[in-house]
Amino acid sequence: DIQMTQSPSSMSVSLGDTVTITCRASQDVGIYVNWFQQKPGKSPRRMIYRATNLADGVPSRFSGSRSGSDYSLTISSLESEDVADYHCLQYDEYPNTFGAGTKLELK
Amino acid sequence: QVKLLQSGAALVKPGASVKMSCKASGYTFTDYWVSWVKQSHGKSLEWIGEIYPNSGATNFNEKFKGKATLTVDKSTSTAYMELSRLTSEDSAIYYCTRSDTMGTHYFDYWGQGVMVTVSS
Repeated sequence: DIQMTQSPSSMSVSLGDTVTITCRASQDVGIYVNWFQQKPGKSPRRMIYRATNLADGVPSRFSGSRSGSDYSLTISSLESEDVADYHCLQYDEYPNTFGAGTKLELK
Repeated sequence: QVKLLQSGAALVKPGASVKMSCKASGYTFTDYWVSWVKQSHGKSLEWIGEIYPNSGATNFNEKFKGKATLTVDKSTSTAYMELSRLTSEDSAIYYCTRSDTMGTHYFDYWGQGVMVTVSS
């Protein structure tokens, strides 16, 4: 199975920060990476699809990028509503696999 | 608008089975795969498998073969997942979500989740 190594597992952040979360794929997954936001008690919400595309209704302060096998989600000028868990997903190969998740917490 | 409405929480005994549903609306049910995802311990997500309603074709994570059975009822636009021989390791929240083959709509909508608790 393809491993998606997500880092950091948690991050202490301040409002207005620029935050970057990274997933490293254990083998080539091309553009087939999504990012999800999840708040407590809620279902995951798709933020980025195909590595760099902003999903419908997602604020433009969110962006996705790729450098080789490293995929990043960046939140510019963090707002309080962005404090949540974030997950990456590869869907290039079966089984689809998720990263272990990143928890953003306010300082 | 696209909606995936899942059945309610379940409390089941060890060794028993549970069947949950995911009713789709707002799109053509037979045009998208329906996947099921497990979330344990409130954080990590695992893909269980998927079913294509138009043909009934399935793909599974090897880890869940023999554990999960996926079916659909096209007449009611409802997907089902049955989990068998339940143990405490199966206690989790289970989500349904949809996907397309091009990746544009991959996991774009999710159900609200079903909490399954396995306890005697």
